[in-house]
Amino acid sequence: NAGVMQNPRHLVRRRGQEARLRCSPMKGHSHVYWYRQLPEEGLKFMVYLQKENIIDESGMPKERFSAEFPKEGPSILRIQQVVRGDSAAYFCASSPQQQETQYFGPGTRLLVL
Amino acid sequence: QKEVEQNSGPLSVPEGAIASLNCTYSDRGSQSFFWYRQYSGKSPELIMFIYSNGDKEDGRFTAQLNKASQYVSLLIRDSQPSDSATYLCAVKHYGGSQGNLIFGKGTKLSVKP
Repeated sequence: NAGVMQNPRHLVRRRGQEARLRCSPMKGHSHVYWYRQLPEEGLKFMVYLQKENIIDESGMPKERFSAEFPKEGPSILRIQQVVRGDSAAYFCASSPQQQETQYFGPGTRLLVL
Repeated sequence: QKEVEQNSGPLSVPEGAIASLNCTYSDRGSQSFFWYRQYSGKSPELIMFIYSNGDKEDGRFTAQLNKASQYVSLLIRDSQPSDSATYLCAVKHYGGSQGNLIFGKGTKLSVKP
């Protein structure tokens, strides 16, 4: 069974560009969660999605960040007009149901120059 | 605000010893508790989860939960150098649309040969 997949694994962007991070959940999992880990910091929840629905986006910055999980294809976390402070590791996790254990993908390391 | 606290360490133990990692949480509504291990530059890897007061054992790992004291711990018996990593405590509060994990900043464990 393939685990949670994320791509790209590393992404370099210049200030002002857009970053798109993709996450394919484990087979049979319909719940996707995005977390951000800043250097020397813990993981912080960003957004929780099911297919075609945003369930909880209480951890998302109000501007420049958006997420979707379409009916077909991976979940996408989009960061517009990136700034240096967006440099971090972005992890996606998935679970079969809301109350169940979350399994993490390998992460995308975003570096903003 | 819901918080999860861990000593940042580093916690250093000799090979073969018992490593004891501790975590406290602020939200009494928390219902599920998880320990993840994270090697440097890698993604969090689930070690154990616990829902009920008491101990739960899995191989060399024992999770202990005391809801009255809002305290959860992880014991690693016969510690090995390969156990050297950062250990993340996470809690989940069920209710409404919440499905996200709240993480502590992690305790860095170093097992010396």
